[in-house]
Amino acid sequence: DAKTTQPNSMESNEEEPVHLPCNHSTISGTDYIHWYRQLPSQGPEYVIHGLTSNVNNRMASLAIAEDRKSSTLILHRATLRDAAVYYCILGAYNFNKFYFGSGTKLNVKP
Amino acid sequence: DAGVTQSPTHLIKTRGQQVTLRCSPISGHKSVSWYQQVLGQGPQFIFQYYEKEERGRGNFPDRFSARQFPNYSSELNVNALLLGDSALYLCASSLAGSTDTQYFGPGTRLTVL
Repeated sequence: DAKTTQPNSMESNEEEPVHLPCNHSTISGTDYIHWYRQLPSQGPEYVIHGLTSNVNNRMASLAIAEDRKSSTLILHRATLRDAAVYYCILGAYNFNKFYFGSGTKLNVKP
Repeated sequence: DAGVTQSPTHLIKTRGQQVTLRCSPISGHKSVSWYQQVLGQGPQFIFQYYEKEERGRGNFPDRFSARQFPNYSSELNVNALLLGDSALYLCASSLAGSTDTQYFGPGTRLTVL
């Protein structure tokens, strides 16, 4: 099973950029890289996803390494509402699996 | 538009009993996935259904089963409950496949005594 490795926790100051890393050395050629976040007492929430190229949306940017064995989620200006557990997930193209790792707990300081 | 809804919100069962959890996807979504989230851990993939067919299955025993109905709602059944089945059970819906955004419901908190 394709797995991801993330730091257990990270801390950031409000209004500063945050780079959340993820290693996925066993990624297959058709696996998409997804990022979700989970706020306390809520279900996970979609953040962004990509296959090979870097991706941007209103919430974040996703930078994917050329060999696809790692990726970085970038929050451009962290706010207190961004404090959550962030999960990096590999999703098989035929959707026979979608595995969350243990995630990174992001703490944002005012 | 209504999001993903799950029922019940909370449930208490005893060991050996059976439980059925229900999920209604977002209107227009044909895919439903189920996850188990034990306290302090990330969600673990149980099943994915698309157009009433099982498309994916995680590493869970046969005590866990699910089905999807013609209206795309879904049920998750767990037989012979164990203490270790105590968890938050999350349902997610999406339009179709793995590249689609999954929208999660608030979950059903199951406690097995």
